[in-house]
Amino acid sequence: DAGVIQSPRHEVTEMGQEVTLRCKPISGHNSLFWYRQTMMRGLELLIYFNNNVPIDDSGMPEDRFSAKMPNASFSTLKIQPSEPRDSAVYFCASSGQWGNSPLHFGNGTRLTVT
Amino acid sequence: GESVGLHLPTLSVQEGDNSIINCAYSNSASDYFIWYKQESGKGPQFIIDIRSNMDKRQGQRVTVLLNKTVKHLSLQIAATQPGDSAVYFCAEKDTGRRALTFGSGTRLQVQP
Repeated sequence: DAGVIQSPRHEVTEMGQEVTLRCKPISGHNSLFWYRQTMMRGLELLIYFNNNVPIDDSGMPEDRFSAKMPNASFSTLKIQPSEPRDSAVYFCASSGQWGNSPLHFGNGTRLTVT
Repeated sequence: GESVGLHLPTLSVQEGDNSIINCAYSNSASDYFIWYKQESGKGPQFIIDIRSNMDKRQGQRVTVLLNKTVKHLSLQIAATQPGDSAVYFCAEKDTGRRALTFGSGTRLQVQP
């Protein structure tokens, strides 16, 4: 099992540019989560999907953020336009189908917006 | 992934000692709890979980205790090793929801 795979591992971009983060969940998992981690706010939920459908996007900070899950094996988180305050580590996680099950995290994308 | 914060509470223990990391939660509707370990440059790694109908669960060298009366969760690590040095997070899940809410984390430093 390869685990949750995120790309890129690091992204450095200039303010105003579009950023796309990618995630491949664990095969067979039907829930996918995007979290953001910063020194000030810790780990925050941005959005999560169940069976490819967005269930709760209340954590998405602004309209500049959008997430999609076109199929069970792929999700993207897009920021357009990016701002310096978006600098953080973005984690994708997935979990299995039945009842309470732990989230399995990827190793994150470290985003730096200058 | 970066470790969270320069201002995390830190627990420093000697190698071989037992460690206890504590977590308080506020949501009475939480029905599932997890401890994660995060090492520098990595994502949170699942350690152990416990459901609200239990008060204790044991794994390999780790034990989680849940006290629902005072909304308190603890992680006990037996015979702590240098490889246990990391940031530890507790997380909780509300009934009917799949997403986890994370605590702010505790840094564990193991002195050889």
